[in-house]
Amino acid sequence: GAVVSQHPSWVICKSGTSVKIECRSLDFQATTMFWYRQFPKQSLMLMATSNEGSKATYEQGVEKDKFLINHASLTLSTLTVTSAHPEDSSFYICSARYAGGPAYNEQFFGPGTRLTVL
Amino acid sequence: ELKVEQNPLFLSMQEGKNYTIYCNYSTTSDRLYWYRQDPGKSLESLFVLLSNGAVKQEGRLMASLDTKARLSTLHITAAVHDLSATYFCAVRNTGTASKLTFGTGTRLQVTL
Repeated sequence: GAVVSQHPSWVICKSGTSVKIECRSLDFQATTMFWYRQFPKQSLMLMATSNEGSKATYEQGVEKDKFLINHASLTLSTLTVTSAHPEDSSFYICSARYAGGPAYNEQFFGPGTRLTVL
Repeated sequence: ELKVEQNPLFLSMQEGKNYTIYCNYSTTSDRLYWYRQDPGKSLESLFVLLSNGAVKQEGRLMASLDTKARLSTLHITAAVHDLSATYFCAVRNTGTASKLTFGTGTRLQVTL
C-alpha cells in the first residue's frame, strides 16, 4: 500500500516550452502533496506544498508563476514548468501525505521525474 | 528556520568495517527519518524515529535518536558493497503541513 507514481519518469524538452509532471497516489487519498527538486549530488529542496482544492504554498525563492501546481483531486497533483530553461533541468520528486490509518501524516515518495531542458 | 546538517558528506569505507553517520538539527521536532537513495532513483524509507532514545535496526543499519541533543545517528555494521548509496536524514517541521527538511546527504561508498 501507499504507492505514489509520477509521470513521465523522464522528459527532454526544448528551451521555452512547458512541461507537465503528474503525481498520483494510487491506493490512498492525499489531501497534501509536496514537490521537491534535486540537483545532481545535492539534497532535496522543497519547492511547494500542494493542498487539494486550494492554492499551493511555495517556498521562499520559488517562482509560483514558473512552477504551476494544481491539486484538483485527492489523488492527483500536477507540476507544470512553464517556459523551461536549461537551469530548470533537475530531478523532480513528489510525495503524498497519507491522511488516515496507521501511517497517518506520513509522506510517501514518488519515483521522480528527470527533466532535461535543451 | 529548521536546519539539518549531516556529516560526513562523503564516506569511503572498506567492506567489513563499521561507521556512523551523524545528523544534527537546529530546532525541536517530533519525527526524524532516514532514507536511502540510489543513483537516479527516488527515496527509499529506512527508519522513522519518534521519541527520545528511539533505536531501530534493520540488517546492518541501526538508527538512534537523541532529541535533547537534537542528534540522530545511522550506524553501519560490517559494511557490504550493497550498502553503497546516498543516505539522507530528514526532520519533520512541527506545525504547518508537516513539511520535511532534508539533511545534506552522505554519499557512502563501500569498497571491496
